[in-house]
Order: sequence, then structure tokens, then C-alpha cells
Amino acid sequence: ELKVEQNPLFLSMQEGKNYTIYCNYSTTSDRLYWYRQDPGKSLESLFVLLSNGAVKQEGRLMASLDTKARLSTLHITAAVHDLSATYFCAVDGWNEKLTFGTGTRLTIIP
Amino acid sequence: DSGVTQTPKHLITATGQRVTLRCSPRSGDLSVYWYQQSLDQGLQFLIQYYNGEERAKGNILERFSAQQFPDLHSELNLSSLELGDSALYFCASSIGTGGLYEQYFGPGTRLTVT
Repeated sequence: ELKVEQNPLFLSMQEGKNYTIYCNYSTTSDRLYWYRQDPGKSLESLFVLLSNGAVKQEGRLMASLDTKARLSTLHITAAVHDLSATYFCAVDGWNEKLTFGTGTRLTIIP
Repeated sequence: DSGVTQTPKHLITATGQRVTLRCSPRSGDLSVYWYQQSLDQGLQFLIQYYNGEERAKGNILERFSAQQFPDLHSELNLSSLELGDSALYFCASSIGTGGLYEQYFGPGTRLTVT
């Protein structure tokens, strides 16, 4: 059974700082997604990573995928308050099911 | 706005009852996925339909069932409801099936069982 672990679960950081969220998964896959969820809202797709070494950037967020290490990272650069949300990674385990991580609740403090 | 619609937005019902949640996928999308999000279980995949056929099954209880109609909208039926079924239910859609296709999530239906 595919397991997806994120850490940290909670992250409180100051505006302007950099930080990284980690997503580890237990079986071979080269299809990984990052989503953002605001409280009480739906999931918004951030990044789609479909190969080893894939790196994508959008604004202050950058995601990468290392399929050999079974690891994806979501890096936040110079955090701003608007980035406060819960971030999920999700892995496609070749059985057409997405398995989601536990989520990282990010709070940016002014 | 993802283009995926779900109704109703909120649903409050009693234990033992049956409810139906409805999802309309984005125009052109053939796959519909159902997910349950709760505090204790997190986000869990329930079931997927592709062009009217069941394609993949996840942690869906026997009390729950779903179908996709010829116009591609989907319904999730929850019966003999229990307190633990209270959750946010999301529908997502994609053009195809499999992990190559990005899933777009609807706004969700918040179900409260009292």
C-alpha cells in the first residue's frame, strides 16, 4: 500500500523567510502533485511533476521531484502572508488512485 | 473556479438517513473522482468513474455507492449514515484516466450527520 508522508505537519514562519516542505512516498512513482487548500475551501492545483528531476516554479513557490529518493520538496522563498494555507502532496501509485499526504498547515506571521 | 460544480454545498441530516451528492465535471472531462476529507482520516480517495464506467475503487464503504450518468455528471449516494460520515466530500474531474491527467476539484459538499 502506498504511503505518503509530509513534514512538517505544522509550520509557522515569519514573512520574508525561506522554508521547505517535504513529501516522502513509499513506492515507485514519477507522478506527483502539489495542492493548496484554504480553510473551508477546495483544493487548488499548484504543480504537476511527471518525471525524475522535474522542477517547477510559480512565484515564491518551487517544487521538485526526485523519484529515486521518492521525495518531493516544496520550497517557499521570502514568504508572504498570502501563502498561509494547507499544502498537500499527492502521489499517483500507478493504479489510477491519488494518495494524499497528511498536509502541512503553513502560517506566515507578519 | 475550477469548472467543477457540486451540489448541495451543505447538508445536515440525521443518523440512519440517506443522501445524494451531485457533481458536474468540467466540460470535456470524462473522469470523475470522489474524495472524502475528514479530520481523523485526512483526504481519502473513494471511487473513480471514466465515461460512465467504474475505473478505480478506494476506501469506499459498502454503505456508499456512486454512478456516472450518460451526460457525465456523477452522484455519490451515502446510506445508513453514521456520525463518522460527517466530512467534506469533494468531486474532481480530469480529461482522461491515470496520473498523467491533472485533476480539478469542485468546491465540495460539507455533510454533517447529527
